[in-house]
Amino acid sequence: GAVVSQHPSRVICKSGTSVKIECRSLDFQATTMFWYRQFPKQSLMLMATSNEGSKATYEQGVEKDKFLINHASLTLSTLTVTSAHPEDSSFYICSAEPPAGGGFTDTQYFGPGTRLTVL
Amino acid sequence: SQKIEQNSEALNIQEGKTATLTCNYTNYSPAYLQWYRQDPGRGPVFLLLIRENEKEKRKERLKVTFDTTLKQSLFHITASQPADSATYLCALANTGNQFYFGTGTSLTVIP
Repeated sequence: GAVVSQHPSRVICKSGTSVKIECRSLDFQATTMFWYRQFPKQSLMLMATSNEGSKATYEQGVEKDKFLINHASLTLSTLTVTSAHPEDSSFYICSAEPPAGGGFTDTQYFGPGTRLTVL
Repeated sequence: SQKIEQNSEALNIQEGKTATLTCNYTNYSPAYLQWYRQDPGRGPVFLLLIRENEKEKRKERLKVTFDTTLKQSLFHITASQPADSATYLCALANTGNQFYFGTGTSLTVIP
């Protein structure tokens, strides 16, 4: 149990286009999901906290108009990179917070990541 | 400024020895701390969680200590195996369950 999926796993796009990445919690409902970015040989950097039914909370330095987050249901959050540029190329990882009291061993379950390459 | 630093970027040890990884932080007051394993091109995989009022946690060959006075956590892998080779990340969590990750240590266990 406690599986989080991401789609697509890899995407290559042209500069100036927008890319949508989906994050799904497959067997639990997640009121809160998180989005991270990881550059090569670096650690994960928290970008934003996504709350179902409300606006996302962005970390300092992350442009909310560039990285649009929608958490429309308890099992799905999407990250849209708008007008992508080569410097947006990175590994994007989401995580989902399971409900309290559900017997979960972790407080966040991570997806497998999405590799974005902007040409 | 806030920092989370892990002892070294890379650590090589002989199979069978104990690997010790450190995580030091400044200007954080974490509610709890977690250790993750990450393989190339994959998301992090949870290993252990330790809360601010706990000193030590164990799970099979893994042991974590947490010293809030020193602002340090140590992560030990005993009887290390080549399959333990990976990048290990510490993550500090605030009361809002937001995670802030350390710089990571790449561990290589040499057969």
